Amino acid sequence: GAGVSQSPRYKVAKRGQDVALRCDPISGHVSLFWYQQALGQGPEFLTYFQNEAQLDKSGLPSDRFFAERPEGSVSTLKIQRTQQEDSAVYLCASSLTVLAGGGRTYNEQFFGPGTRLTVL
Amino acid sequence: GQQVMQIPQYQHVQEGEDFTTYCNSSTTLSNIQWYKQRPGGHPVFLIQLVKSGEVKKQKRLTFQFGEAKKNSSLHITATQTTDVGTYFCAGVGSARQLTFGSGTQLTVLP
Repeated sequence: GAGVSQSPRYKVAKRGQDVALRCDPISGHVSLFWYQQALGQGPEFLTYFQNEAQLDKSGLPSDRFFAERPEGSVSTLKIQRTQQEDSAVYLCASSLTVLAGGGRTYNEQFFGPGTRLTVL
Repeated sequence: GQQVMQIPQYQHVQEGEDFTTYCNSSTTLSNIQWYKQRPGGHPVFLIQLVKSGEVKKQKRLTFQFGEAKKNSSLHITATQTTDVGTYFCAGVGSARQLTFGSGTQLTVLP
């Protein structure tokens, strides 16, 4: 596709429900990132994949958050037993690789439109 | 952990005025990137700075990376209504992940 796509664009969940958010990265992009963006704040890192390997999940706020990318392309972010504080926009981004230029520069990330999650 | 602070949080300018946003990191950065997010949109990459003291220009936008690689600035000359949006800096530190600042929301009054 032309860019990163995410679905659904909007999700309303009742507290305690499980949700699954999908990300389709740009074809051929090795690296995939998930971010959480609260209103009026910058994106906060959640987790990072290189192909199918989850190399960094240090930003996941609790064990209710789980992400996977089983075939190294599409990724799913799952939130179990949603809480009101989970309400935010969840952004997915992809890049060719993490590093370029012999490891001296960090590749630009291409963001999807995000999924706005509202937990009632 | 690494923290990136950005000021001001909001800026209202008249069209044609200049605008500057400042970014400060608690730790030395290897690179810094700048992104723009239009209202209701997603972050879009603008530029990356790598070298100490580096200055890069994109038309009316001037980006600077501090000598100590802990701060950066974005200056827009003669703002236009198309410049409206939130500007984020994002630093790359030792953790090899992007840490975003809280952004500066720019409003341009016609």
